[in-house]
Amino acid sequence: EAAVTQSPRNKVTVTGGNVTLSCRQTNSHNYMYWYRQDTGHGLRLIHYSYGAGNLQIGDVPDGYKATRTTQEDFFLLLKLASPSQTSLYFCASSDEYNNQAPLFGEGTRLSVL
Amino acid sequence: GQQVQQSPASLVLQEGENAELQCNFSSTATRLQWFYQHPGGRLVSLFYNPSGTKHTGRLTSTTVTNERRSSLHISSSQTTDSGTYFCAIASSSFSKLVFGQGTSLSVVP
Repeated sequence: EAAVTQSPRNKVTVTGGNVTLSCRQTNSHNYMYWYRQDTGHGLRLIHYSYGAGNLQIGDVPDGYKATRTTQEDFFLLLKLASPSQTSLYFCASSDEYNNQAPLFGEGTRLSVL
Repeated sequence: GQQVQQSPASLVLQEGENAELQCNFSSTATRLQWFYQHPGGRLVSLFYNPSGTKHTGRLTSTTVTNERRSSLHISSSQTTDSGTYFCAIASSSFSKLVFGQGTSLSVVP
């Protein structure tokens, strides 16, 4: 069954800490995405990738780095985390045919104290 | 860039009532999708509907492309319809969606 799995599901860190969010998809999709969801903003795209080793900047990339190590795995790195990065983070994957909706993971809730 | 406005921001219905959710976008959309988000959970796709009308169960999506708007109609609402509904647009052939702010729906018994 097609799936996008995120870990951890919840994370608490302190200001200035380093955080890595992980995402794995088993859908053989080329595209993977990291979004953040905040009240009043919907989902905003942070970074995305269309294959292993490829990285593209999204709409709100500041303070985030992403790494696509394999077709299946996409990581979001927060170095020197700040309270403004407290959010609900979603990973998604999709294939190259644009009428297919991306499949989403269950989200990671991150709190930066 | 592409902007997507959804209305209303929130809505409370009595079970059995109908709902109409609106999505307006600032430029031509080659892709338009409606998503449903379980409270605090993942998003699931409801419709891919860049033009015309589509139905599934009690849900109907109507997109008028040249007017840059889409609607999602929920008939005979149920408490299980509660959650957040998102409209998302892509203005090019690339798979990059821009999301609206969402409509939070609460259906009470």
